Amino acid sequence: SQQGEEDPQALSIQEGENATMNCSYKTSINNLQWYRQNSGRGLVHLILIRSNEREKHSGRLRVTLDTSKKSSSLLITASRAADTASYFCATDAESGGSNYKLTFGKGTLLTVNP
Amino acid sequence: DTGVSQDPRHKITKRGQNVTFRCDPISEHNRLYWYRQTLGQGPEFLTYFQNEAQLEKSRLLSDRFSAERPKGSFSTLEIQRTEQGDSAMYLCASSGRGLARETQYFGPGTRLLVL
Repeated sequence: SQQGEEDPQALSIQEGENATMNCSYKTSINNLQWYRQNSGRGLVHLILIRSNEREKHSGRLRVTLDTSKKSSSLLITASRAADTASYFCATDAESGGSNYKLTFGKGTLLTVNP
Repeated sequence: DTGVSQDPRHKITKRGQNVTFRCDPISEHNRLYWYRQTLGQGPEFLTYFQNEAQLEKSRLLSDRFSAERPKGSFSTLEIQRTEQGDSAMYLCASSGRGLARETQYFGPGTRLLVL
């Protein structure tokens, strides 16, 4: 079952604009991660935020986590055409024991137009 | 660090045939995961190995599916008597020890098409 649900399902912006994607989840988590997937390829890890963190930055990426609302957002600033991809949030459920298996949402398809 | 590799990258087979996929994790990683991804969906967990031990299997993994990691290095995923519903991308991921266990590194995937 999909724990995370990304919103919106699709987003189209112009190069240079900022892109914001949201993720909601259902159960308590150890951490939440964002991955990028280019068309038909494997996933690339972008950033991890732990349940006791509220905000994290990595280059042009900013991730927030609100555990009271069970939600996270990913902001990509100054977008580039190369950012065109599907973006997934993935949660490591607190009840998952030591397996660290990830539960993914359906993803947001981001298109950055040159 | 050469990353996670998977072989083959693409597989077309006829319904009823058996197929086997291979995953080579990052060399120092002791944890290995298999996921399945269908079109328009996120990856779904199939199974997990810590070293050579298979510690968890999803209910998605029917008895036609079997996975092994005999020496705690590479892993194979076999599907017997394939069905059209098995058509999907099969992704392998690995992670390391300590805090490194939290981040999974994915391979390029094996895309299976069952005709």
